[in-house]
Amino acid sequence: QKEVEQDPGPLSVPEGAIVSLNCTYSNSAFQYFMWYRQYSRKGPELLMYTYSSGNKEDGRFTAQVDKSSKYISLFIRDSQPSDSATYLCAMSVSNFGNEKLTFGTGTRLTIIP
Amino acid sequence: GAGVSQTPSNKVTEKGKYVELRCDPISGHTALYWYRQSLGQGPEFLIYFQGTGAADDSGLPNDRFFAVRPEGSVSTLKIQRTERGDSAVYLCASSLSGTETNTEAFFGQGTRLTVV
Repeated sequence: QKEVEQDPGPLSVPEGAIVSLNCTYSNSAFQYFMWYRQYSRKGPELLMYTYSSGNKEDGRFTAQVDKSSKYISLFIRDSQPSDSATYLCAMSVSNFGNEKLTFGTGTRLTIIP
Repeated sequence: GAGVSQTPSNKVTEKGKYVELRCDPISGHTALYWYRQSLGQGPEFLIYFQGTGAADDSGLPNDRFFAVRPEGSVSTLKIQRTERGDSAVYLCASSLSGTETNTEAFFGQGTRLTVV
């Protein structure tokens, strides 16, 4: 069993819809949770970062962490065609810039105009 | 430069050959990471450098893989006797090292390695 599980999709939704992306994990040592966005043939770029259970909002994006269930989510409101990309969840034990990240497989998202 | 630079962007090599992949991190970033991303998968950790030394090389799949960072800046990932299964995108990332705040890892665009 992988440490981080993520539904690979693909997921297609109409423009303006709310998107929900999810990951589960098995390693209770993970304390820091990130969502990366990766466009085709590009490197991942950090979207959201959080380390506590609960919600964190940034514009149209909300990251949710439930450590008791080992479950994290990313919600995208008012989705735009430019949001079409692969979304990767990532986790680490520490956040001190000296820690490897463990990634999910990524969910490929397409927003249909 | 402004971001993490990886060269070459694409590399095609024959099975059994030796390849070197280069990563130029963001200036001043002391931490440097190599990841490998196979088609349809998320990046998998290979090795992490803090300065010149490899702080964690637990992700290197076998002794055909080796990486160096002799001056604490540019890093080279070296693969000997390449196999078709080595075909993947090799990603490099760099970050500051800190003890109190989140230190974001910035990724390069990757080197797409194809072993034929």
